[in-house]
Amino acid sequence: QSALTQPRSVSGSPGQSVTISCTGTSSDVGGYNYVSWYQQHPGRAPKVLIYDVNKWPSGVPDRFSGSKSGNTASLTISGLQAEDEADYYCCSYAGRYSWVFGGGTKLTVL
Amino acid sequence: EEQLLESGGGLVQPGGSLRLSCAASGFTFSPYAMSWVRQAPGKGLECVSAISGGGETTYYADSVKGRFTISRDNSKNTLYLQMNSLRAEDTAVYYCAKSLYGGCTSWGQGALVSVSS
Repeated sequence: QSALTQPRSVSGSPGQSVTISCTGTSSDVGGYNYVSWYQQHPGRAPKVLIYDVNKWPSGVPDRFSGSKSGNTASLTISGLQAEDEADYYCCSYAGRYSWVFGGGTKLTVL
Repeated sequence: EEQLLESGGGLVQPGGSLRLSCAASGFTFSPYAMSWVRQAPGKGLECVSAISGGGETTYYADSVKGRFTISRDNSKNTLYLQMNSLRAEDTAVYYCAKSLYGGCTSWGQGALVSVSS
């Protein structure tokens, strides 16, 4: 399995929207509606933001939204806030109890 | 509240062994697949091993296949990772995670494994 492809960094100003892409293959992203997104602040464990492509766990604001088209998934963060500055990872189920992560995207809030 | 608590990390010499444990609470453990996800210093996340709810099916990343063994004791609500023949490149924080097909919905705080002479 190869890691999913994410941009290494994105940035935006407070109040703006940013979108992070996550490209895989037909064996992972394109083959299952099982994409998830995680936020990780330095020194902290990852926190799930989105699961099953576009579902929110309880407690996650709807400023975070997920979508998928073909082999590419996307996370959109609207109404950027300073506390959104973190690393973001996508993940896809890849069959037979295996999951593959993206390389991570560093979000800078300007 | 769902909680996962890893233990067993530490410093080990190359070629040595460690066993990580992950104690689960706040949810019914047995139906859910569980994973070990690691993060090397300054690097991204890697799912190194996973196990089905009943323990019948396991997965290992190529990087650890033949050296690591995942297991679970559903009577104790505990997940394990036996790590043998450790290498410097296994140095990482190891997280256990409750794993639905659609994502890892609960994570532990992580256990640091350092492999160095």
